[in-house]
Amino acid sequence: GAVVSQHPSWVICKSGTSVKIECRSLDFQATTMFWYRQFPKQSLMLMATSNEGSKATYEQGVEKDKFLINHASLTLSTLTVTSAHPEDSSFYICSAPLAGGSYEQYFGPGTRLTVT
Amino acid sequence: DAKTTQPPSMDCAEGRAANLPCNHSTISGNEYVYWYRQIHSQGPQYIIHGLKNNETNEMASLIITEDRKSSTLILPHATLRDTAVYYCIVRLPGGYQKVTFGTGTKLQVIP
Repeated sequence: GAVVSQHPSWVICKSGTSVKIECRSLDFQATTMFWYRQFPKQSLMLMATSNEGSKATYEQGVEKDKFLINHASLTLSTLTVTSAHPEDSSFYICSAPLAGGSYEQYFGPGTRLTVT
Repeated sequence: DAKTTQPPSMDCAEGRAANLPCNHSTISGNEYVYWYRQIHSQGPQYIIHGLKNNETNEMASLIITEDRKSSTLILPHATLRDTAVYYCIVRLPGGYQKVTFGTGTKLQVIP
């Protein structure tokens, strides 16, 4: 089946630094990818929709200048958490749909971000 | 997306069938019922979806009531690996639709 990967699987960074998370569709092209955030013991919250070759669409309440999304190719979307703070510590998950039909979204394994 | 209601947690003995209920009384005519699960510290996994007929695949069965206001996900022979949070979601079909997750049901499979 379709596979979505994320890199890194976990990262620890210091407050004030920026962190980039990659989301790749390994065996299919994805013109759209979704980014979610999940705090401990909570459900996934959609942050933004990443569109290849155009600007991302952010959900209400998500700071677009803080969470920079780049979808430069049909297999790669990146999420950069700029000037990270401890409250940004979370589990970040991406997903990508297969093109056409009613194919489902395939989710990546997630990236655990800890900001110290 | 229509709102769903699920019990926060359930236990199931290993080897027995796990029946996970979901209420979605405000579902509209063109919305499907989807089920995903999330094993601890992993990304969600698609399980099954349906519109109004019962569906079965290699992972589970989905039973949707005739009025479509509720459904049940059935794992026929639960294993310890099925311990996860199960999310019932109603939405329009297609992978490009946003998926809005609720709080889900934490299923604990007990040896």
